[in-house]
Amino acid sequence: EVQLVESGGGLVQPGGSLRLSCAASGFTFSSYAMSWVRQAPGQGLEWVSGISGSGGSKFYADSVKGRFTISRDNSKNTLNLQMNSLRAEDTAVYYCAKDHSSTYYPTCMDVWGKGTTVTVSS
Amino acid sequence: DIQMTQSPSSLSASVGDRVTITCRASQGIGNYLAWYQQKPGKVPKLLIYIASALESGVPSRFSGSGSGTEFTLTISSLQPEDVATYYCQKSNSAPNTFGQGTRLEIK
Repeated sequence: EVQLVESGGGLVQPGGSLRLSCAASGFTFSSYAMSWVRQAPGQGLEWVSGISGSGGSKFYADSVKGRFTISRDNSKNTLNLQMNSLRAEDTAVYYCAKDHSSTYYPTCMDVWGKGTTVTVSS
Repeated sequence: DIQMTQSPSSLSASVGDRVTITCRASQGIGNYLAWYQQKPGKVPKLLIYIASALESGVPSRFSGSGSGTEFTLTISSLQPEDVATYYCQKSNSAPNTFGQGTRLEIK
């Protein structure tokens, strides 16, 4: 069974940092681009960041560029999101998602984790 | 960056109705458009990819069409279990922006 399990969420003060992780299983992790998508309370979906299967290409939304860093460890089937300089508007549920096809860059996502909650507040 | 705009923002229809949701891209994206369904309290689910390809396991009453800048998601006969928010997403190149969502309710 294909599965994604996020961890690392929590409460952090504005300006602080947090590192999210996503453990993948049930598929050839290195063959698929992966993405992070977030959803603020009561709001819509926002694509945050994506990474190619090899990890060589990384992509970011303008809202997080320069503050967030995506990475992956294909030997451990793990996707990460390092979040620095956090702001109140980064408060959201963060989902890890697998790309639908084994294309090089992120496209659409067919498998989603249950999400991990990040709250940025003093 | 390319913006994605859905209409309407909310919709109320009766069981058995044909329902159409529109998604417009601010620039052409070919057929690189996906549709998702998110039921209350649940994780998003992929319905349609490459504008019109039905994801495995999705009921055939869902269909997608369009190319370039205008796309539609159609539910041919609305069922009670279709109550959800629907999102379009461009998938041609990052950032893979979502539309703002369309909330669908049963009248």
